[in-house]
Amino acid sequence: GAGVSQTPSNKVTEKGKYVELRCDPISGHTALYWYRQSLGQGPEFLIYFQGTGAADDSGLPNDRFFAVRPEGSVSTLKIQRTERGDSAVYLCASSGQGPTEAFFGQGTRLTVV
Amino acid sequence: ILNVEQSPQSLHVQEGDSTNFTCSFPSSNFYALHWYRWETAKSPEALFVMTLNGDEKKKGRISATLNTKEGYSYLYIKGSQPEDSATYLCAFKTGANNLFFGTGTRLTVIP
Repeated sequence: GAGVSQTPSNKVTEKGKYVELRCDPISGHTALYWYRQSLGQGPEFLIYFQGTGAADDSGLPNDRFFAVRPEGSVSTLKIQRTERGDSAVYLCASSGQGPTEAFFGQGTRLTVV
Repeated sequence: ILNVEQSPQSLHVQEGDSTNFTCSFPSSNFYALHWYRWETAKSPEALFVMTLNGDEKKKGRISATLNTKEGYSYLYIKGSQPEDSATYLCAFKTGANNLFFGTGTRLTVIP
């Protein structure tokens, strides 16, 4: 596609429910990143994929968070048993090889009520 | 997770003033340093990609310098305009291609 696409753009869910956030990167980009942005903060690293594999998942806050990228393209961030503290904007970005910049999607605003 | 620090956290300047911000990053495992501009209700967009010690990049009134040996980069804005109001993010790219962001500097230019 022309850019990074994230769906849904907004998600309101009840505490304890399961949610999936989708990221469709720029075609051909092997690197895919998930970040979480809380009010007034910069993007907080969650997980980085190189191709199909999670090259670094050290930013996932706990085992309720999981992400996959089974075919090296679309990625899904999954959050189980959501908590109010999970409310944030979840950003996805993709990048080509080398030192090149990352391109961001518009984000998914998750609200847990 | 690598620590990337930016200062100041926020800044208010008068239109026409020049300003600068700092980004500090680890000096080991360096691959690239990025600067992004993030406007409200939009996605971050890259301003500069810098790879070499001593690099200087310029785009209009905005420029950046890089010191990889001591682990810092400066972003300069000359003659600030209200449309420059945004959050400016720096990001450190490792040799493994991971990308870690600082917390950003929020710039407000007062007309």
